[in-house]
Amino acid sequence: DAGVIQSPRHEVTEMGQEVTLRCKPISGHNSLFWYRQTMMRGLELLIYFNNNVPIDDSGMPEDRFSAKMPNASFSTLKIQPSEPRDSAVYFCASSRDSIEAFFGQGTRLTVV
Amino acid sequence: QKEVEQNSGPLSVPEGAIASLNCTYSDRGSQSFFWYRQYSGKSPELIMSIYSNGDKEDGRFTAQLNKASQYVSLLIRDSQPSDSATYLCAVHQSGAGSYQLTFGKGTKLSVIP
Repeated sequence: DAGVIQSPRHEVTEMGQEVTLRCKPISGHNSLFWYRQTMMRGLELLIYFNNNVPIDDSGMPEDRFSAKMPNASFSTLKIQPSEPRDSAVYFCASSRDSIEAFFGQGTRLTVV
Repeated sequence: QKEVEQNSGPLSVPEGAIASLNCTYSDRGSQSFFWYRQYSGKSPELIMSIYSNGDKEDGRFTAQLNKASQYVSLLIRDSQPSDSATYLCAVHQSGAGSYQLTFGKGTKLSVIP
């Protein structure tokens, strides 16, 4: 099994630009999570999908953030416009029936 | 506010010793508990899960859960330098129709050769 696949691994962008992060969950997993990790705040859950439907997006910081899951094998997290405080590592994780979650390698985002 | 608390460390132990990592949580309705290991610059890796009171052993790792005390721990026997990492405690919070896997901020473990 290839595990959770995220792209890109690193992203450097200028403030105000749109950023799109991508995730391919493990085949057969029906739950997908987007997390953000910073030194100050640790791992924070941004949004959770179950069977491609957003269930809990209470962690999305503001309207600049949006996430979609058009099918069982693909999800995106978009930030528009990006700001320097969005700089963090963004992880995607997937699980079967919301139990044990397995993480992708993450996308390190730097907004300058 | 549902919280998961860990001592940030660093926790330093000599090679071959037992490392003890602790975690407390605030939500009494929590049902599932996990330990993740995260090497610097890498993603969290699931190493243990525990769902009922008591001990669960897997190789050199033992997870302990005490729901009455809202306490979960991870013991690493015969610690190796390769165990040096940050260990994250995660708790599955209860809540109808919602999933919340809340993480502590992690304990940094350093195993000294």
